[in-house]
Amino acid sequence: EPEVTQTPSHQVTQMGQEVILRCVPISNHLYFYWYRQILGQKVEFLVSFYNNEISEKSEIFDDQFSVERPDGSNFTLKIRSTKLEDSAMYFCASSPGTGGVNTEAFFGQGTRLTVV
Amino acid sequence: RKEVEQDPGPFNVPEGATVAFNCTYSNSASQSFFWYRQDCRKEPKLLMSVYSSGNEDGRFTAQLNRASQYISLLIRDSKLSDSATYLCVVNNYFSNDYKLSFGAGTTVTVRA
Repeated sequence: EPEVTQTPSHQVTQMGQEVILRCVPISNHLYFYWYRQILGQKVEFLVSFYNNEISEKSEIFDDQFSVERPDGSNFTLKIRSTKLEDSAMYFCASSPGTGGVNTEAFFGQGTRLTVV
Repeated sequence: RKEVEQDPGPFNVPEGATVAFNCTYSNSASQSFFWYRQDCRKEPKLLMSVYSSGNEDGRFTAQLNRASQYISLLIRDSKLSDSATYLCVVNNYFSNDYKLSFGAGTTVTVRA
């Protein structure tokens, strides 16, 4: 069964450092997303990406964040200068973009980011 | 008002019991609705979509009330494996975009 894969599963970084979280969405999907979940809190939308550009972003997704689809398969989230409060589980998701509004999003297993 | 609100629980029920909980959403223009399940420190996984007429999938029944802007999930004959956090998810679909808004989750614990 096709799945969304994320690497690494766990990343520890020092405050102020740049991190890149990587995702390989399901191959024929057209919409890509990043969500995050701070421990014990709800899943929060960060950004959606379609047709090689950001289609929507939340207020969390400030200038420290950027996304890229550098080739036909990878979808990355970069945090330029990490803060302690960026520590969270980051989920990548993708959806086909067809099948109407009831089409589900498929989530990767997440990258746990710990900023120290 | 939060976009999606859920009763956080926890609901602690014996095996075989029925448990039900609701979710309310604020945007009357929301297009579609889902229940996702999340196990501890794992990714959300789709449990079921929720349709206007209500729908059933085995022991799970989901209902949507657009007039009152709430969604419900009912689990019959609970199993130990049903222990999880259930996430109410609303799709606000505008301008060919697809943004899922999550509730904070309802925790269900099924005990032997």
